[in-house]
Amino acid sequence: GQNIDQPTEMTATEGAIVQINCTYQTSGFNGLFWYQQHAGEAPTFLSYNVLDGLEEKGRFSSFLSRSKGYSYLLLKELQMKDSASYLCAVRDGDYKLSFGAGTTVTVRA
Amino acid sequence: IAGITQAPTSQILAAGRRMTLRCTQDMRHNAMYWYRQDLGLGLRLIHYSNTAGTTGKGEVPDGYSVSRANTDDFPLTLASAVPSQTSVYFCASSDVDGGVDTQYFGPGTRLTVL
Repeated sequence: GQNIDQPTEMTATEGAIVQINCTYQTSGFNGLFWYQQHAGEAPTFLSYNVLDGLEEKGRFSSFLSRSKGYSYLLLKELQMKDSASYLCAVRDGDYKLSFGAGTTVTVRA
Repeated sequence: IAGITQAPTSQILAAGRRMTLRCTQDMRHNAMYWYRQDLGLGLRLIHYSNTAGTTGKGEVPDGYSVSRANTDDFPLTLASAVPSQTSVYFCASSDVDGGVDTQYFGPGTRLTVL
């Protein structure tokens, strides 16, 4: 089975930076995804890492360390619209995605 | 507009009834998936299909069945609904884009079984 852990909730102020950590133990590894999900909506793709290191995409960056089974999603210059749930998902050896329970980020003015 | 559609948007169902959730994509993606999302548990894979004519079981397949007669449609059937199947159901599809096999999700179906 898969084990993917991420914090349940985080709160930050508008304009600040928030880092969402994700640790995983999976049978095989073929990439790690981050998705954003606003309340009542579908998850939408944010980022993908398969090699160690940092991937930057505008205000969002994602980091991966395969040897440590660890990733983080960094959200910079937080905006109110960034209030959402952020899902860490690992693609295993069978190319199936396993999701963490999600981290709800609340951005306050 | 290209994407994934699901129907119905929401449904209240009596226990024991049969229900089919519909999912259609127009992106010509080979792979399709059904997930359920429950509070505190995240998305869990129910069934998947790597290509038309094939299906496979995910993490929580019991009580559900799927078929994949063509590329576009991937219906999920609950043969005899039970209250524990109350959940939000998401259909997704994927194909390799720029070397990355990314899943794209439909808007979801909120199902309540009483």
